[in-house]
Amino acid sequence: DGGITQSPKYLFRKEGQNVTLSCEQNLNHDAMYWYRQDPGQGLRLIYYSQIVNDFQKGDIAEGYSVSREKKESFPLTVTSAQKNPTAFYLCASSIISGGSTDTQYFGPGTRLTVL
Amino acid sequence: GESVGLHLPTLSVQEGDNSIINCAYSNSASDYFIWYKQESGKGPQFIIDIRSNMDKRQGQRVTVLLNKTVKHLSLQIAATQPGDSAVYFCAEENTGGFKTIFGAGTRLFVKA
Repeated sequence: DGGITQSPKYLFRKEGQNVTLSCEQNLNHDAMYWYRQDPGQGLRLIYYSQIVNDFQKGDIAEGYSVSREKKESFPLTVTSAQKNPTAFYLCASSIISGGSTDTQYFGPGTRLTVL
Repeated sequence: GESVGLHLPTLSVQEGDNSIINCAYSNSASDYFIWYKQESGKGPQFIIDIRSNMDKRQGQRVTVLLNKTVKHLSLQIAATQPGDSAVYFCAEENTGGFKTIFGAGTRLFVKA
C-alpha cells in the first residue's frame, strides 16, 4: 500500500516546547516538501528537499527545522521560535523528472495546536 | 473539525448539476497546472492536471480548461455528487524551476 503518511494526526504543544512532525513516503519519490495551511489561505512552503542530506528553505522557514537522512523520511521540527505555530501541516512528495519536479502528492496532514 | 477554508469563496450546487470552479493564476511563465480536492481534515488529493500546450483536458467526470491569454483556469465537474463537497484549489508551476504556487481555494457545497 503505497503513499505518504504523517503522524500524529493531532498534536498539542505547550508554549516554549519543540515538537517534531513525522512524514514518511514509500513512493520512491526524490523530492519532499512541508507546507503550512491556515484558514482562507493557500499552502505556504516551509522547507523542501530534492535529495538526501540536502534541503532548502521555503517562504516561511523561520522557526522550523528539517532533516533528510533517508529518502523516505522528512521530519519537521516546530521550534519555540515559531511565533504562531497553530496550523495544519502538510507533507508532500514528488518525482524529479528532467531536472524539475512533477506533481506533488500529499499526506493526510497533522493539526498542531499550541495551548 | 478542520477549519481550513473558513473564509473561502463558496459555490453551492444541486446534486446532479454541473459545477464550474474558477482560478486566476498569477505567473505568465507558469506552464503546468494542477487541480486538487481537499476534504475536511484531510490532505489535498490530485484530481487532474494540464500543461500549457493544451487548452482542455478531460478526466472522469472532470474537465480542466486553460486560457493562457487571461491567465484563467477552470475545473468543470459533471453530474455533481454529495461526495464532491470539498475545497478545490488550483496550483501553478514553472517546470523549469522548483516553485509551486497554490491558490486559496473554493468551497463546493452539494445539496442533495
